[in-house]
Amino acid sequence: DAGVIQSPRHEVTEMGQEVTLRCKPISGHDYLFWYRQTMMRGLELLIYFNNNVPIDDSGMPEDRFSAKMPNASFSTLKIQPSEPRDSAVYFCASSSSTGYHGYTFGSGTRLTVV
Amino acid sequence: GDSVTQMEGPVTLSEEAFLTINCTYTATGYPSLFWYVQYPGEGLQLLLKATKADDKGSNKGFEATYRKETTSFHLEKGSVQVSDSAVYFCALFNQAGTALIFGKGTTLSVSS
Repeated sequence: DAGVIQSPRHEVTEMGQEVTLRCKPISGHDYLFWYRQTMMRGLELLIYFNNNVPIDDSGMPEDRFSAKMPNASFSTLKIQPSEPRDSAVYFCASSSSTGYHGYTFGSGTRLTVV
Repeated sequence: GDSVTQMEGPVTLSEEAFLTINCTYTATGYPSLFWYVQYPGEGLQLLLKATKADDKGSNKGFEATYRKETTSFHLEKGSVQVSDSAVYFCALFNQAGTALIFGKGTTLSVSS
């Protein structure tokens, strides 16, 4: 398996623009997680899905953030409109459980909003 | 709520030195504990884990023992290499929780 695949690796956008981050989980993994990593706050869980259904989105910072999982092999995290404080590295991870076995992480998308 | 506290870095060592990175946790019940490693420009990789008290996780020369009495899961390595330079994250999973909870990470820098 190629692991968890995220795209793009880097994204630079202007404030106010819409940004879409993409993730392909490992085949057979029922759980998908979106995390955000910043120097100040470390790793924050934004949202997670089980069998394509959002289970906990309490970490989504604002209504500007939305996430979807239309099928078992694809998820998106969208920010509209983007702001400079959204600049961070966004990680997608997948797992066969909520956490007992640990997660497999993608390489991340480094987002810069100018 | 559940939380993980790691020693603040950066930790700077010479090659072949002994490494300890402290990790303590707060959780109800009996969480599973993990160490992840993040190399520059990459995602997090699972390094080792322990699922019950007194378990020792080990991988690539790294070890950590689940100590319930001190609520700790300290990471150790007897002789570090330059290639061990990375950020190390301690994490826990509680059956009553929803997802892995991570510490803030400790940066390790090893020089030759």
